[in-house]
Amino acid sequence: KAGVTQTPRYLIKTRGQQVTLSCSPISGHRSVSWYQQTPGQGLQFLFEYFSETQRNKGNFPGRFSGRQFSNSRSEMNVSTLELGDSALYLCASSLVPGGYNEQFFGPGTRLTVL
Amino acid sequence: AQSVAQPEDQVNVAEGNPLTVKCTYSVSGNPYLFWYVQYPNRGLQFLLKYITGDNLVKGSYGFEAEFNKSQTSFHLKKPSALVSDSALYFCAVRDTGGTSYGKLTFGQGTILTVHP
Repeated sequence: KAGVTQTPRYLIKTRGQQVTLSCSPISGHRSVSWYQQTPGQGLQFLFEYFSETQRNKGNFPGRFSGRQFSNSRSEMNVSTLELGDSALYLCASSLVPGGYNEQFFGPGTRLTVL
Repeated sequence: AQSVAQPEDQVNVAEGNPLTVKCTYSVSGNPYLFWYVQYPNRGLQFLLKYITGDNLVKGSYGFEAEFNKSQTSFHLKKPSALVSDSALYFCAVRDTGGTSYGKLTFGQGTILTVHP
């Protein structure tokens, strides 16, 4: 089975721009979660989607949004980029959300905001 | 609210020696606990999880973890460390109660360095 894939792997943007990141979960997995990883803040939960519905949301401003499609693929969007948005954005999938199901992570998208 | 603490930013151990990476947690209900490892420029890889039952959980690459409910801890262990074990390790918890159902909370991570 193919793992979680994320595109693009690297991205450079300037302040004020917007960006869309894509995640394809493992085949059969219906839950997708997004995390932001930075050296200072560690791994922070952004949001979780299941059956095209957002089930959980972390403490991020409204500039961060996401969606899930009927094939379980997910996208996240960051509008009006700030320097502090520079981070590794990780996507993780699981069969269903919650419970004892472990999440499987993609390689991440490295976003640099100049 | 659920939380995880990894009290050591860094752990250094000699190859062949046993290693321990510490993790404590706080939840309102019962916990599901997980350990992940991250190598440079890679995503996180799942190592093992505790759901219920036996307090000693065995996982990938010879790692194991011991669940201690009274101390709210879930320390990661390996009897004999390898240089290739050097990486960033994350402990995570999911609460079965409260309002954060489904959400996985990670600790800050511990850098493990195994010296030859």
